[in-house]
Parts: sequence; C-alpha cells; structure tokens
Amino acid sequence: AQTVTQSQPEMSVQEAETVTLSCTYDTSESDYYLFWYKQPPSRQMILVIRQEAYKQQNATENRFSVNFQKAAKSFSLKISDSQLGDAAMYFCAYRWGNRDDKIIFGKGTRLHILP
Amino acid sequence: DAGVTQSPTHLIKTRGQQVTLRCSPKSGHDTVSWYQQALGQGPQFIFQYYEEEERQRGNFPDRFSGHQFPNYSSELNVNALLLGDSALYLCASSLTFSGDPNEKLFFGSGTQLSVL
Repeated sequence: AQTVTQSQPEMSVQEAETVTLSCTYDTSESDYYLFWYKQPPSRQMILVIRQEAYKQQNATENRFSVNFQKAAKSFSLKISDSQLGDAAMYFCAYRWGNRDDKIIFGKGTRLHILP
Repeated sequence: DAGVTQSPTHLIKTRGQQVTLRCSPKSGHDTVSWYQQALGQGPQFIFQYYEEEERQRGNFPDRFSGHQFPNYSSELNVNALLLGDSALYLCASSLTFSGDPNEKLFFGSGTQLSVL
C-alpha cells in the first residue's frame, strides 16, 4: 500500500527566509504524481506544486520548488522568501497514475511565519 | 466562475443520527470525490462519483454512502453516526477525460461535522 510520511508536525521560519518541508513516500508503482497542498484557515486545499514521477527535472512555481529524489522516495518542498501569507498547513500527497483522483495525503506540517 | 461549494459549513449531530452533506462541483467538472479530514490528520479518500455511479471507494464502512445527480452535484450520507465521525468533510471536483495533462483537483472549504 502506498503511504506518505511527513515527519515535521510544525516548523517556523523568519519572514523573507527560506524553509524546507520534508516528505517521504512509499510505492511500488512507476507512474505516479506527487503534490504539495496548502490548507489555510479557510480550510480549502490549494495546490501549491506537482511533480510527475517520470520527469527528472524538479518542479518550480515562483517561490516554491521541490527536491524530488525518486530512488530515495523523497519529495521536499522549499519555500523561498517566506511571506506571512505562507502560514498554513502543508500536506504532501501522492496519486497513482494520471486519472486516478484518489489522493493519499500525509499528516501535514504546520508552517509558522515569524515577522 | 464559482468554485466547489459545500453545504452546510458546520453541522452538529447526535450519535446514532443520520446526516447528509452536499457538494456542487466547479462549473464544467463532472467528477466528485469526498474526503474525511479528522483533527490533526490529512484528508482520507472516502469515494468518488462519475456518471452518477461510485467509481472508487476508500476504506470506509457501508454507513458512508453517496449519490451524484445528473447536474453532477453530489451528496454524502452517513448513517448511525459515531463520535469518531466528527471531522471536516471535503469535496473535490475534476473533469475526467479533459485532455489536459495539467488538469487538477479543486477542493471546497468543507463541512465541519461534530457528533455529540
């Protein structure tokens, strides 16, 4: 069975600094997608970034980038120039295949931004 | 363009009762998935509806059932509520066979269910 593990329940970072959130996963599949979702107090899950397993290049979205280590089954999220609006719960997630919308989430990391 | 809307936003029920939660997908979407998010946990997949049929199901008992209507909106029903059913219930919508490799899931803001 596929699993997603986030070992950091909470993290804090100074505004404008860089922070890295960790995630490991386990799967025997070769075709899968990895995601980072943000859940602010509004409770709505917002997609931050996605990575296709077949792509070697790490995904980047503005201040957000990932370090995808396929052999190690590691998928970390780096947030550069942290802003107060980045404060939220962040969930690492896995999806098998391209059209199977069943997503497996980790337990989340609560990110605090210190002014 | 309205996103995914869920109702009600909050609900309080008593153990043993039944509850119905509602979800309207994003305009143009035809597939609805339901997730349960217990306090301090990540969301867990309950089931997915497409073409008015349950297409996939997670590890949830038969007390959890659903329905999808011709307009693609969906309901989640939970019978014989237990204290452990207290959670945030999230609905997500997508478009099957969109042809867009970047097609993504859109989530609603959820229904917070408290079982007393």
